[in-house]
Amino acid sequence: QKEVEQDPGPLSVPEGAIVSLNCTYSNSAFQYFMWYRQYSRKGPELLMYTYSSGNKEDGRFTAQVDKSSKYISLFIRDSQPSDSATYLCAMSASDYKLSFGAGTTVTVRA
Amino acid sequence: NAGVMQNPRHLVRRRGQEARLRCSPMKGHSHVYWYRQLPEEGLKFMVYLQKENIIDESGMPKERFSAEFPKEGPSILRIQQVVRGDSAAYFCASSPLTDPSYNEQFFGPGTRLTVL
Repeated sequence: QKEVEQDPGPLSVPEGAIVSLNCTYSNSAFQYFMWYRQYSRKGPELLMYTYSSGNKEDGRFTAQVDKSSKYISLFIRDSQPSDSATYLCAMSASDYKLSFGAGTTVTVRA
Repeated sequence: NAGVMQNPRHLVRRRGQEARLRCSPMKGHSHVYWYRQLPEEGLKFMVYLQKENIIDESGMPKERFSAEFPKEGPSILRIQQVVRGDSAAYFCASSPLTDPSYNEQFFGPGTRLTVL
């Protein structure tokens, strides 16, 4: 069993739809949770960071962490074609060693 | 402020050759991390370095791989006697400091290594 599980998709939605992404994990020591966006042939870019359980909102993006279920989610409201990318969940028990999901490829159709 | 820089962006090597990947962290960052991304897999932590010190190399293969971050110059990830299984994207990240609270790792564009 992988430490972090993420459905690779691909996920295709029309412009304006809500994109829902999620990851599950097995290591109960994880306490830092992140979502990265990666465009093709580029490095990952941090979108959202959450410490421990709870929700965090930033513009069109909402991140949720449920440590009791070992489940994290990212929602993108009013999706745009420019949101088309691969989204990676990442988490850490310490402050530096990140464990990543495999990434979900999202296409937002104009 | 320039971001994390990696070179070369693409590197082709034949089996048995050496590969040297370079990473220049963001200005003011003294912590460097290397990750490897295999096709269809997530990024895997390899090593964490500070200037002149290897802090954690628990993700590095025991043989053929080494990393350094000298006092002057970029961090180097070195792979000796490459094999086809080493073909992957290698990402470097940097951060300004490490303390008990999380600090963001900024990623470079990666080096894509192809072993023929």
